[in-house]
Amino acid sequence: GEDVEQSLFLSVREGDSSVINCTYTDSSSTYLYWYKQEPGAGLQLLTYIFSNMDMKQDQRLTVLLNKKDKHLSLRIADTQTGDSAIYFCAALAWNQGGKLIFGQGTELSVKP
Amino acid sequence: EAGVAQSPRYKIIEKRQSVAFWCNPISGHATLYWYQQILGQGPKLLIQFQNNGVVDDSQLPKDRFSAERLKGVDSTLKIQPAKLEDSAVYLCASSFELVVGNTIYFGEGSWLTVV
Repeated sequence: GEDVEQSLFLSVREGDSSVINCTYTDSSSTYLYWYKQEPGAGLQLLTYIFSNMDMKQDQRLTVLLNKKDKHLSLRIADTQTGDSAIYFCAALAWNQGGKLIFGQGTELSVKP
Repeated sequence: EAGVAQSPRYKIIEKRQSVAFWCNPISGHATLYWYQQILGQGPKLLIQFQNNGVVDDSQLPKDRFSAERLKGVDSTLKIQPAKLEDSAVYLCASSFELVVGNTIYFGEGSWLTVV
């Protein structure tokens, strides 16, 4: 089945760009998502990308998809302290009944 | 538009006791999900409903967990008896339909500690 992997921690300075990486194993995953989770809160959908796209930009967020390497990244421009949270990559595993398979999350720490 | 509502937000119980969590999805959303998120891990799907029918419960520990969605709207997840390893956040989510690409919206979660 689908497996999604992420690095666990990332620390950046305020104003810098952050890049969070994710790899997945199932090439049939058609939709890939990025969710944000702040302490004590649920998951907030940030953005998603369909597998026929290479890039998607939404304000400060840029998603890059490399289908050949099954690699997904989320770039946050001009990172702010309010961006400190855990970021989850998720793949829609169509061959597993359409369920979302999540990575273990990347904790982003933004230092002033 | 109101989001996915869950209650209670926090619960502490002793092992072998029982607990129930309630979820009210976004109005009009036919698909409802329960996820378990253990500290330091990503969410794992426990059960998925389409209206009031179960689509996938392959990862639900059926000897102690049960879930229902009467009338295809609200849902309840029950754990009986609880074990220490059930300590986790239980996230309810919903989407408009069981269709590829439909956005899944999450509630704030019910935090369970089993002592």
